[in-house]
Amino acid sequence: AQKITQTQPGMFVQEKEAVTLDCTYDTSDPSYGLFWYKQPSSGEMIFLIYQGSYDQQNATEGRYSLNFQKARKSANLVISASQLGDSAMYFCAMRENTNAGKSTFGDGTTLTVKP
Amino acid sequence: DSGVTQTPKHLITATGQRVTLRCSPRSGDLSVYWYQQSLDQGLQFLIQYYNGEERAKGNILERFSAQQFPDLHSELNLSSLELGDSALYFCASSPTHRVNGSPLHFGNGTRLTVT
Repeated sequence: AQKITQTQPGMFVQEKEAVTLDCTYDTSDPSYGLFWYKQPSSGEMIFLIYQGSYDQQNATEGRYSLNFQKARKSANLVISASQLGDSAMYFCAMRENTNAGKSTFGDGTTLTVKP
Repeated sequence: DSGVTQTPKHLITATGQRVTLRCSPRSGDLSVYWYQQSLDQGLQFLIQYYNGEERAKGNILERFSAQQFPDLHSELNLSSLELGDSALYFCASSPTHRVNGSPLHFGNGTRLTVT
């Protein structure tokens, strides 16, 4: 069974607008972490934001925020004020303590920011 | 800069050959993870080491092996290479094998091309 699902293979957003990238997950481990990574065309994987399963508040890091809805098992990434440099592939990932902490990744969403 | 160093950046070799990919984790990180990213299969977890010992195994082929040395650097050995092994191989590290809010920090990857 797919543990991380990203249903949007590709997304477009106008520069300076906000965009939401969807991510749903599945786990029976009560202790887990959710992460978002950005992979630009150059190939490196850049860590963006983290949400712990016990965190009461949604995580924010600059223009990135994570809309965490635990009951619905969703962890959507919101990028505000999109910039051309945000064009990249975005991966949602989950780490479970019962799984030796390895990360399971979704298939990714390609975001294109239009000028 | 994530602090994770992978060498070489690019590798071109022929079918049937053997190669070794090297990874130096971030200073202080004890856990090392190897991932394979191919176009058709996304990011696949291969294997994880923690402080020199294997902790978790993913979809790693029998032709592939890895180890983590006392100085914590890790090597991924790929043998009897096939065309389908062409991919971007990532190493990632984290302080421990437990989630504890720590993301995996990725190196820039080794792009392997098998001809």
